[in-house]
Amino acid sequence: EIVMTQSPATLSVSPGDRATLSCRASQSISSNLAWYQQKPGQAPRLLIYDASTRATGIPARFSGSGSGTELTLTITSLQSEDFAVYFCQQYNHWPYTFGQGTTLEIK
Amino acid sequence: VQLLESGGGLVQPGGSLKLSCAASGFTFSSAGMSWVRQAPGKGLEWVSAISDSGANTFYADSVKGRFTISRDNSKNILYLQMNSLRAEDTAIYYCAKDLHDYWLIWESWGQGILVTVSS
Repeated sequence: EIVMTQSPATLSVSPGDRATLSCRASQSISSNLAWYQQKPGQAPRLLIYDASTRATGIPARFSGSGSGTELTLTITSLQSEDFAVYFCQQYNHWPYTFGQGTTLEIK
Repeated sequence: VQLLESGGGLVQPGGSLKLSCAASGFTFSSAGMSWVRQAPGKGLEWVSAISDSGANTFYADSVKGRFTISRDNSKNILYLQMNSLRAEDTAIYYCAKDLHDYWLIWESWGQGILVTVSS
């Protein structure tokens, strides 16, 4: 089973700044990675798939990059609604697995 | 797209529960569907998936042999029959719709339903 490790566990960033979230895979997953955002009391929302393709309706300030074992979600010009928990999910190897999440909090 | 779960609640260890997910706003019979759960304060865990026709089903090792996923395409409803429930099955259970042309990437989610397994 592929282990997905997200870092940092918690990231404190000021509104308007850039946030960079990392997801590391225990073996190569090519670009088969999705990112989800989850706000308190809500269901997750798909942000990015195929490592860098934004899902429908996702603002351009969200971008994904990387391949292999190191992948990144970047959020520029942070808005108040962006502070949430972010999960990565690999779908290159069965069983598909999630990272443990990064909490993006207001600094 | 709307996905509305129901059927959750409190059940004793060893008991059973059946979750339902009523779908609307898309062609249900053309979509792969899954159940994904989240224990309180924890991360996400995929539980089970079913193909659009219902012919193929898949389970996480943690629930294999205890849970059964099914669907009724005439009623646009997804089900999860949960038997031999354990304390570690306590979680919010989400019904989720596959992203078009992808398997087990979810573009739409229900609001979730809480299942609590406790004596």
